[in-house]
Amino acid sequence: DIVLTQTPLSSPVTLGQPASISCRSSQSLLHSDGNTYLSWLQQRPGQPPRLLIYKISNRFSGVPDRFSGSGAGTDFTLKISRVEAEDVGVYYCMQATQFPLTFGGGTKVEIK
Amino acid sequence: EVQLVESGGGLVQPGRSLRLSCAASGFTFDEHAMHWVRQAPGKGLEWVSGISWNSGSVDYADSVRGRFTISRDNAKSSLYLQMDSLRAEDTALYYCAKDKATVIIVPDYWGQGTLVTVSS
Repeated sequence: DIVLTQTPLSSPVTLGQPASISCRSSQSLLHSDGNTYLSWLQQRPGQPPRLLIYKISNRFSGVPDRFSGSGAGTDFTLKISRVEAEDVGVYYCMQATQFPLTFGGGTKVEIK
Repeated sequence: EVQLVESGGGLVQPGRSLRLSCAASGFTFDEHAMHWVRQAPGKGLEWVSGISWNSGSVDYADSVRGRFTISRDNAKSSLYLQMDSLRAEDTALYYCAKDKATVIIVPDYWGQGTLVTVSS
């Protein structure tokens, strides 16, 4: 199975400041069809997960443009340009390049 | 508006069975793959199983393969998860999720979940 390792585990951030989360894969996420099926999800406290980014850098419907994704191969990054109070929660990367789908362990974003 | 409503969770003894259901609305059900994802109390997300739009492709996490069976009824816009030989480690909140595509790519909308507790 593909293992996704997220860093940091926790990210205390000042409101209005940027935040960055890394996701490293145990093997390349480039699919034979040319796509890289790496996504980012947000889970606010007490809520189900919400899709933010798919295929590395595509923002999902309704997601603010302060969220951006980048990377290739085995190294990926989610960036929040200016953290707002509503961004508090746990962020997960997820791969669907190879079955079974796997998630990273999660990164908790909290306000300082 | 996409709505996914899970049901069927509850308290069950180890070794027994449970069947989860997910009622979908607000989108064309038979044009999307579907997923079950679980989250143990205080833990991260674990993908359990996925099924393509026409049930032609299904897959499972190693931890449930051979014990759980995913299925769908497109006529009823419903997704199911038959869980047999349940273990304590299957205790979790089980989410139903819709995929963006007809095949398994990424879950884009999620239900609120149904809680399964396996305990004697």
